[in-house]
Amino acid sequence: KNQVEQSPQSLIILEGKNCTLQCNYTVSPFSNLRWYKQDTGRGPVSLTIMTFSENTKSNGRYTATLDADTKQSSLHITASQLSDSASYICVVSSASGGSYIPTFGRGTSLIVHP
Amino acid sequence: DAGVTQSPTHLIKTRGQQVTLRCSPKSGHDTVSWYQQALGQGPQFIFQYYEEEERQRGNFPDRFSGHQFPNYSSELNVNALLLGDSALYLCASSVVRGPPRGANVLTFGAGSRLTVL
Repeated sequence: KNQVEQSPQSLIILEGKNCTLQCNYTVSPFSNLRWYKQDTGRGPVSLTIMTFSENTKSNGRYTATLDADTKQSSLHITASQLSDSASYICVVSSASGGSYIPTFGRGTSLIVHP
Repeated sequence: DAGVTQSPTHLIKTRGQQVTLRCSPKSGHDTVSWYQQALGQGPQFIFQYYEEEERQRGNFPDRFSGHQFPNYSSELNVNALLLGDSALYLCASSVVRGPPRGANVLTFGAGSRLTVL
């Protein structure tokens, strides 16, 4: 069964600090991994997408890494801002018969305090 | 350029009733997928529509059905509602430009919040 596990479940940090969110997956065959940011009451918004051959991808203050051998990914947020408070969801897609099915993690709830 | 729009934004139903949720994809997108997100959980894939046909389906009962129209918009129908169907229902659109189809970034709508009493 394809699964995506995220840790920590929730995280509280002070504004300006850095943090790292983790994603472990057992999805096969692997196609791609994406990180999404979901503000409360809104739909998820894509931050990064990585395929098998990519091991790092940056989007402003967000940097995602992928280790396909250990099936782990991380999302590093630098110099956090109050607006970073949101749920961060890791999504891993598997490929089967020409179609792709995404498996979502439960998300990490990040709260940034002033 | 409008993104993905969903309607209604909120609705309340009672057990046993039926509900229809609607989704208009982002301009230029031709694929629509639906997700159920319970409170505090990640989204769960319901199904995906492309060329007016259901292409993939997640682990949801037949009470959940859908449709895609020639203009790429889509509906999600849920029959015989249960209390456990209360959730945020997200629609996401993407565009098929050849393999790998799954690499296309999903654009999500704001969701329809369904409460079943």
